[in-house]
Amino acid sequence: QVQLQESGPGLVKPSQTLSLTCTVSGDSLLTGGVYWSWIRQHPGQGLEWIGFIYHSGSAYYNPTLETRVSISIDTSRNQFSLKLSSVTAADTAVYYCARENSSFDSWGQGTLVTVSS
Amino acid sequence: EIVMTQSPATLSVSPGERATLSCRASQTVGNNLAWYQQRPGQAPRLLIYGASIRATGIPARFIGTGSGTEFTLTINSLQSEDLAVYYCQQYENWPPITFGQGTRLEIK
Repeated sequence: QVQLQESGPGLVKPSQTLSLTCTVSGDSLLTGGVYWSWIRQHPGQGLEWIGFIYHSGSAYYNPTLETRVSISIDTSRNQFSLKLSSVTAADTAVYYCARENSSFDSWGQGTLVTVSS
Repeated sequence: EIVMTQSPATLSVSPGERATLSCRASQTVGNNLAWYQQRPGQAPRLLIYGASIRATGIPARFIGTGSGTEFTLTINSLQSEDLAVYYCQQYENWPPITFGQGTRLEIK
């Protein structure tokens, strides 16, 4: 059974870069047809897809965020990471990593990131 | 971008009864539609993919129907554990992958 676990700072200052890592167990990031994803949820709001990455390194981003976002993958550690630059209070959210195999079939528990000075 | 619109925003149903949730896409998504359940304080959980295929371990009382632009999630024999927000999501045309705004299901 695949498990995903987000890790990273829970507090980031405005204008800085938010960095999170997702560690995957029970599956390989090299699995064909699977994209490794980041999704966020603002407090009390719905779900927003941030982007995902394939094991080849090909990444796709939400156009609303693509000037600030970067997703990378480390297959040797079975981890993938999110960087979101120039954050503001509007980036305060719960950030989830997820496995995408057409739909998002496995999710991490989520991590709250607050942007505040 | 494909806009997903869910209705109603909130639904209140008695235990044992049926809940019907709707999702509409701004353009056709074929059968590339998934439903998720998010219980309070938890991560979303995949219920349905391919518009009508139940994910592993999902009870048969969760039924997904529809294709193109109109989709329905029916929950039969409602139980207290079904209290949650339900989201639809399209994966036909991306980026971006898009979600509906959610339907909150309350148990009377």
